[in-house]
Order: sequence, then C-alpha cells, then structure tokens
Amino acid sequence: GQNIDQPTEMTATEGAIVQINCTYQTSGFNGLFWYQQHAGEAPTFLSYNVLDGLEEKGRFSSFLSRSKGYSYLLLKELQMKDSASYLCAVGDSNYQLIWGAGTKLIIKP
Amino acid sequence: GAVVSQHPSRVICKSGTSVKIECRSLDFQATTMFWYRQFPKQSLMLMATSNEGSKATYEQGVEKDKFLINHASLTLSTLTVTSAHPEDSSFYICSATKREPYEQYFGPGTRLTVT
Repeated sequence: GQNIDQPTEMTATEGAIVQINCTYQTSGFNGLFWYQQHAGEAPTFLSYNVLDGLEEKGRFSSFLSRSKGYSYLLLKELQMKDSASYLCAVGDSNYQLIWGAGTKLIIKP
Repeated sequence: GAVVSQHPSRVICKSGTSVKIECRSLDFQATTMFWYRQFPKQSLMLMATSNEGSKATYEQGVEKDKFLINHASLTLSTLTVTSAHPEDSSFYICSATKREPYEQYFGPGTRLTVT
C-alpha cells in the first residue's frame, strides 16, 4: 500500500530551528512536495524535491533521500506566523499526489 | 503566477438542497483539476480528479451521484453537492495543475455548512 508518515504535532520556540520529518512508501516516485496550511485556509506550496539533497529557500529548506524514502522540512528563525500545519505529499507513478496527514507546528514565544 | 479562485468562499444551505462550487484557474490552462474535502483537524481527502472534457475519476467511497463534477473547460470545474445533508458540512478545496511540473495550485476553499 501507499503510506506517508509524519509526526502529528510539534512544538518549538520563536527564533529557534525545527525539523519536520516525512517518510514514505509509494508505488513509484515523481517528486515530494511540502505545503503549508494555516487553519481555515487552503494549502500553499513551499517546496518540491525530485533529486536527492537539500533545497534551500530563505528560512525554509527541504531535504530528500530517495533510497531511504525520507524527507525533512527545516524551518529556521521561527516566527509566530509559522504556526501552521505542514503537509508532505508524494507524487506516485500516476503523478497523483499521496498526502500525509500533516504536522501541526505550534510556535511558543 | 498561477492563481486559482473558488466561489463561493462560504455557503450555508438547508438539508436537501443542492450547492454548486466553482473552481477557476485565472491565469493558466489547467490540464487537471482536483477536488478535496477536509474535516476539522484532519488532512486533505481527495474526492475526485477531473480532466477537461472527460468524466471525473472518483476516489473509492465517494458517491459520484451525490458529488457531481463538471469540467467544462481548461479553466473551470464545478462541484455540485446534491441533496446536501449535515454530514456533508466540510471545507471543500479545489486545485489545478499545469502540464509540468505537476505542482498543485490550490483555491482558497469553500466552507459548506448544511443546516
């Protein structure tokens, strides 16, 4: 079967760094996406990894290891507005996105 | 850019009535559009995938006669919730993809409340 695992909830402190992990098992692989979703709003795109390695984009970075079926999203210099759910999604062999349940990130002052 | 709009953003209807939700890609032609629903504190649940001019592909457990999807053009898809019941109350979100890459661009969502 197809499976995406990520922690349900994480807590971090304003100004700190947090890493949200995602492991996956899918039929085929056509890239891994990270989306941010604030409560009551639609998801917004953060990053896309299709090759192994680290992609850096400002305060956010995303890492992929295809051999391990593993990715992480790294958020630096956390701000209160980063409190949101972070969704990991993997494109399968049919280019359908398989979604994780999301990680709720709580930022404390 | 890639902007997707949804209308209405919020709707309240009585049980037994039908509600239509529109999803439009404003500045690009969408090869595929997706419809999701999301219950509070839960992840996105894909309901169906639609391509312009062809019938939608529904996910297992989603009633095609209850959730009617019409993808009339490369920029417009509609979801009609027929004979709505209170358990249909949810956040409905559409997304659209260009040909490549297949990043999904999300609409702002429609919050449906059935009384």
